[in-house]
Amino acid sequence: EVQVVESGGGLVPPGGSLRLSCVVSGFTFSNYAMSWVRQAPGKGLEWVSSIFGGGKATDYADSVKGRFTISRDNSKNTLYLQMSSLRAEDTAVYYCARNEGANDGRIPEYWGQGTLVTVSS
Amino acid sequence: DIVMTQSPDSLAVSLGERATINCKSSQSVLPSSNNQNYLAWFQQKPGQPPKLLIYWASTREFGVPDRFSGSGSGTDFTLTISSLQAEDVAVYYCQQYYSTPYTFGQGTKLEIK
Repeated sequence: EVQVVESGGGLVPPGGSLRLSCVVSGFTFSNYAMSWVRQAPGKGLEWVSSIFGGGKATDYADSVKGRFTISRDNSKNTLYLQMSSLRAEDTAVYYCARNEGANDGRIPEYWGQGTLVTVSS
Repeated sequence: DIVMTQSPDSLAVSLGERATINCKSSQSVLPSSNNQNYLAWFQQKPGQPPKLLIYWASTREFGVPDRFSGSGSGTDFTLTISSLQAEDVAVYYCQQYYSTPYTFGQGTKLEIK
C-alpha cells in the first residue's frame, strides 16, 4: 500500500525558513517523480514544485522560485521542501504527492494528509 | 501560464441526477505530437487531501466508480457524474499538466439539492 506522510509544518515569522519532509513507503521511491501542492486556508489548490525520480530535474511555480528548493534522498525514501524568505501568502497546507507513471510522471496520484505552514509574527 | 477556468463555481443537484462540471483552458492542452489531452480531475472532500479521479481527460483512475466520466479535447473539458450519490459531495478541480506551472481551476463545489 502506498503511504505518503508529511511533517515539518508549523508557525514561522515572515522572512523565516522551514523544511518540510515527506516520507513514503509501499513503492520504489526512486522510480517516481514527486510533487508539492499547497492550499491556502479556504482556497483552491496551487502546484508548488516537482522533481523527477532521479532528482536531477526540478521545476517550480514562479511564486516560490528562488525561495523554495525541492530535493529528495532516495536512500531514505524522503522528499524535502526547503522554504526560505517566507511570506504571509505562503501560509497553507502543503501536500506531498507521488506522481503517476514512471520517472517523469506529472500527475499527483497519491497524496499525503498535508502539513500546515503558518507564516505570521 | 495556462489559466484554467471552471464553471459553475457551485452546483446543487438532486440525488440520482446528473452533475456536469466544465473546465476551460486558456490554450490547448493537446500537443500535436500525440493524441492525449494533458488534463486531470480531482475530488476533494472536507478535511481530506485531493483524490485523483480522471487523467488524460477521460481515463478513470483505478477504483473510481464508473458514474464518473471525463470528456472534451483541446481547451474544453467536462466532468460528468451520471447519478449523484451522497458521497459525491465535494469540491472538484481540473488541472492541466501540459506545461509548468501545472495550474488548477478554481474549483467547483458540488452539493445535494
